[in-house]
Amino acid sequence: QSVLTQPPSVSAAPGQKVTISCTGGSLNLGGNFVSWYRQFPQTIPELLIYENNKRPSGIPDRFSGSKSGTSAALAITGLQTGDEADYYCGTWDSGLRAVVFGGGTKLTVL
Amino acid sequence: EVQLVESGGGLVQPGGSLRLSCAVSGFTLSDYWMHWVRQVPGAGLVWVARCSGDMTYINYADSVKGRFTIARDNAKNKVNLEMTSVRVEDTAIYYCVREGKSGTDYFDSWGQGVPVTVSS
Repeated sequence: QSVLTQPPSVSAAPGQKVTISCTGGSLNLGGNFVSWYRQFPQTIPELLIYENNKRPSGIPDRFSGSKSGTSAALAITGLQTGDEADYYCGTWDSGLRAVVFGGGTKLTVL
Repeated sequence: EVQLVESGGGLVQPGGSLRLSCAVSGFTLSDYWMHWVRQVPGAGLVWVARCSGDMTYINYADSVKGRFTIARDNAKNKVNLEMTSVRVEDTAIYYCVREGKSGTDYFDSWGQGVPVTVSS
């Protein structure tokens, strides 16, 4: 049972938009930045979004992040088959004194 | 170019010990907090431990507290994870990870990972 809750899977057609949610509580998302990671099969995780809504260099603006209260979301527009991967949210939990991740969301581009 | 290279993984019996090492290059290690994150193949990411640049601040996941020790040698550009009293449930790929900016707990660089298998 992960501290942060993500849907196990989402799907959408190429060219469409998909949003992946990440729900937490006051001691994690409610008071700390959220980051998002993408992991293709058999590869290492990659930073997609940091400090709620910032993109590292090289990440296209099709990827955007937002946070409101104890929830966060990753939006991907103009979906491509190459976006199929697992996506994770993460943040610091001030109560647990630990970094916590969501359980991950598998994105399928139909 | 930032590089993180883990070593030291392998097969260990329950109750045994193992030391993972992470050799870094391409940046000044003392300027960054470093973490270890693990992942069972096919499952999600699980944070293990973190250490500030000067080792003033160290935190562990409850599941490893008292058994694992994170340490670093900034002069040698290495971060270690000493694993003792290992359990079957510690079996995973262990990633050495760099925090992007102090206090924000996002991970901008990941090592390739090293597998650890705990089995008799």
